[in-house]
Formats: sequence, C-alpha cells, structure tokens
Amino acid sequence: GAGVSQSPRYKVAKRGQDVALRCDPISGHVSLFWYQQALGQGPEFLTYFQNEAQLDKSGLPSDRFFAERPEGSVSTLKIQRTQQEDSAVYLCASSSPGLAGRRIGTQYFGPGTRLTVL
Amino acid sequence: AQSVTQLDSHVSVSEGTPVLLRCNYSSSYSPSLFWYVQHPNKGLQLLLKYTSAATLVKGINGFEAEFKKSETSFHLTKPSAHMSDAAEYFCVVSGGAGGTSYGKLTFGQGTILTVHP
Repeated sequence: GAGVSQSPRYKVAKRGQDVALRCDPISGHVSLFWYQQALGQGPEFLTYFQNEAQLDKSGLPSDRFFAERPEGSVSTLKIQRTQQEDSAVYLCASSSPGLAGRRIGTQYFGPGTRLTVL
Repeated sequence: AQSVTQLDSHVSVSEGTPVLLRCNYSSSYSPSLFWYVQHPNKGLQLLLKYTSAATLVKGINGFEAEFKKSETSFHLTKPSAHMSDAAEYFCVVSGGAGGTSYGKLTFGQGTILTVHP
C-alpha cells in the first residue's frame, strides 16, 4: 500500500477484555515499531521487529502486552486483561534499513489506533 | 541513554510572523535528530531530519532546523507562519552508531503551535 495502515482506528473495551491491534507496514519495509501515546504526551517506544524477529521488547509495560509479526509483514499488538491505564493511541511505524554501517531509515507512521478502556 | 526536552509546551504566533520551537537533546552517541508534526486525528509526519551531514537542515513546508552540538540544541524555525501550520510538533532523537543503531525513537513531550489570524 501507499502507507502504513492500522486497524481498527478506534477500539472501546471493557476493563478485563483482551484486544488485538493490527498494523500493515509499507511493503518491503524490514523494520517495524510499536509506540504508545498517552493523552497529552509524546509517543513512547514499546517494541521493535526486524522481519519476523522481535529484537527489542524493552518498552512493553507489562506481561499483558504481547506483539508478533509471524511472517515478517503484518504485526499484531495484543493486550490481555485491559486496564484503564492502557487507554492510549497505539502507533505503528515501519522503515527500510539504513545504508550498512550508517544511519537508520526514516520511520513512517500509521494513523494509530485509539484504545479506550472503560 | 538519550532524551529530548522541548522547552515550550505551547507556542502562539500570528500568521505571517516567525516560528521558533525549541528543543534540547541528550545522547551518549552521535544522534540522529528529527522533527515530526501531528495534525489532529492524523498520523505523525516527518518534517525534517539531521543525520550528521549539513548542520542546517531544510524540511517540508518551509521549516528548517539547525543542529548545534555545542548547545545540544535542534530548534525548529519557519520565517512566516501559516494557519495550516497549527499542529503539535515533536522533537525526536535516535541513537547512532554505537548506540541503538536500529532506530528506536525517543520523543519529546511535544509543542502545540497555535497560529492566530
């Protein structure tokens, strides 16, 4: 596609429900990132994939958060037993790798999924 | 570790006057620096990026930023504001070689730019 797409755009969940958020990166982009943006804050890093390998998950706030990218393309962020503090916009970004030994590629962001936990 | 501080949470200007959004960074390595803009209900859009080439970086829509290593600053400027510039702006740092080279981004808290007619 022309850009990064995410679905659903809006999700309302009752506390305790599980949710799954989908990201379709730009075709051919090796790197995929998830960020969480709380209201009034800047986005914060959650996790990073290179192809299907999850190389960094240091930003995931708890073991209720799980991300996968099984075929190195589409990624899913799953949140189990949602809590009110999980309410945020979840952003996905993809990039192609930078030149070897030099700078990383530009990250292109999707529109985000706004999750509201009641 | 790396971090970004945006010195103003809100900036208000009149249409046609200059824009200055201030950003200071901290990084243990030679950083890559970015400015992203976020319009309401839209995704983040890259305005410009610095990656150790020219210190004065020109971006889209007439914006530019100057990397000043001695001041650890990367302020965003535009000579003349337009109503369509009203949005939230994020200064962003990414680790370079020797750091987190894959491109993990660290965002500032954001500056909301208001443009008055």
